[in-house]
Amino acid sequence: GENVEQHPSTLSVQEGDSAVIKCTYSDSASNYFPWYKQELGKRPQLIIDIRSNVGEKKDQRIAVTLNKTAKHFSLHITETQPEDSAVYFCAASRERGNQFYFGTGTSLTVIP
Amino acid sequence: EPEVTQTPSHQVTQMGQEVILRCVPISNHLYFYWYRQILGQKVEFLVSFYNNEISEKSEIFDDQFSVERPDGSNFTLKIRSTKLEDSAMYFCASTQEVGSYNEQFFGPGTRLTVL
Repeated sequence: GENVEQHPSTLSVQEGDSAVIKCTYSDSASNYFPWYKQELGKRPQLIIDIRSNVGEKKDQRIAVTLNKTAKHFSLHITETQPEDSAVYFCAASRERGNQFYFGTGTSLTVIP
Repeated sequence: EPEVTQTPSHQVTQMGQEVILRCVPISNHLYFYWYRQILGQKVEFLVSFYNNEISEKSEIFDDQFSVERPDGSNFTLKIRSTKLEDSAMYFCASTQEVGSYNEQFFGPGTRLTVL
């Protein structure tokens, strides 16, 4: 089955700096890679996703890149703000209806 | 914007008791999932459900677990005889039928505490 690894497990940045979180996956059949933000005690919220037919996607301060050859994808947050502090999970899946394989999460702290 | 809802938000039970966790997926969605998250750990897949049957399940989803869609709106997870290690946050998720990709929308979770 799929194996998703995520690094780093914790990340602290100064407000205004950028944060980068990286994930690798093992199953070349995976074609959908979402990123979820989870605040303490809350549900995972989808913040951005990327599909295997594109290499990069951007939404305001958040961007995701995908390298299918190397089987890795990354989340980039620019101009970080204290409200970006949360746990971020990457995931990978195959076709519609299949389970998500989640990474182990990155606890991001943005220091004001 | 439509959301997945779950009840109860917190369930406390004694070891060995049965619990039923309830979910109402988004109304035009036809794929349903249960995941769990033990405190401080990653989200783990339990089971997926489509067309009134289980389509995938993990090794966690043993004989103590069952799922049901009793009517047109609810999707339930039953744990027959709870163990201490079942204490976790349980998330329901759903995906719409149309489309090529697997966007899943998560509910707010039920925190299950087994004493």
